[in-house]
Amino acid sequence: QKEVEQNSGPLSVPEGAIASLNCTYSDRGSQSFFWYRQYSGKSPELIMFIYSNGDKEDGRFTAQLNKASQYVSLLIRDSQPSDSATYLCAAYYGNNRLAFGKGNQVVVIP
Amino acid sequence: GAVVSQHPSWVICKSGTSVKIECRSLDFQATTMFWYRQFPKQSLMLMATSNEGSKATYEQGVEKDKFLINHASLTLSTLTVTSAHPEDSSFYICSARNRLAKTSYEQYFGPGTRLTVT
Repeated sequence: QKEVEQNSGPLSVPEGAIASLNCTYSDRGSQSFFWYRQYSGKSPELIMFIYSNGDKEDGRFTAQLNKASQYVSLLIRDSQPSDSATYLCAAYYGNNRLAFGKGNQVVVIP
Repeated sequence: GAVVSQHPSWVICKSGTSVKIECRSLDFQATTMFWYRQFPKQSLMLMATSNEGSKATYEQGVEKDKFLINHASLTLSTLTVTSAHPEDSSFYICSARNRLAKTSYEQYFGPGTRLTVT
């Protein structure tokens, strides 16, 4: 069973602050990781993907990967109310398949 | 580009009946489509992978005779929930992989179908 864990409860951050989300994965063979944003009742939309150790920045979003610790994170800088959503971490484990975590809900308070 | 549609967006059916959900790639050809199920406050769980022109590959624990998948063309896959029961009520989401995608993990999600079985 390929497992992706997102254990933090809902995260409330004031507008303009940094939101930090974490994710761990069980399959050491996983090579690529993804962060999706999902608004309530909607399907996920891809925000970022990362496959190399270190940081990857895209606008206000930064993904971090540490393969030795099997750990992926997402930072959202200058959080906006429109960032309020559930963020899903996913790991690619071959044959075109993704394993998703349960998600972390982010609430940005104006 | 890379738009995936699903129909219907929501459906209510009676226990024991069958429901068909369509997934279409509107502006690209999808050799592979994926069907996920998501219960409230839970993660997306992959149910099956369907490849155009061949039988679907089901994940462990998913009944292939209950969840019939047909991928008859490069732009259409259907999921039929047969003899639906209230426990099948869920959010069903498809995703599609572009035939021309450079990476094997690139998927585009449809908007989802909310199924309620009464």
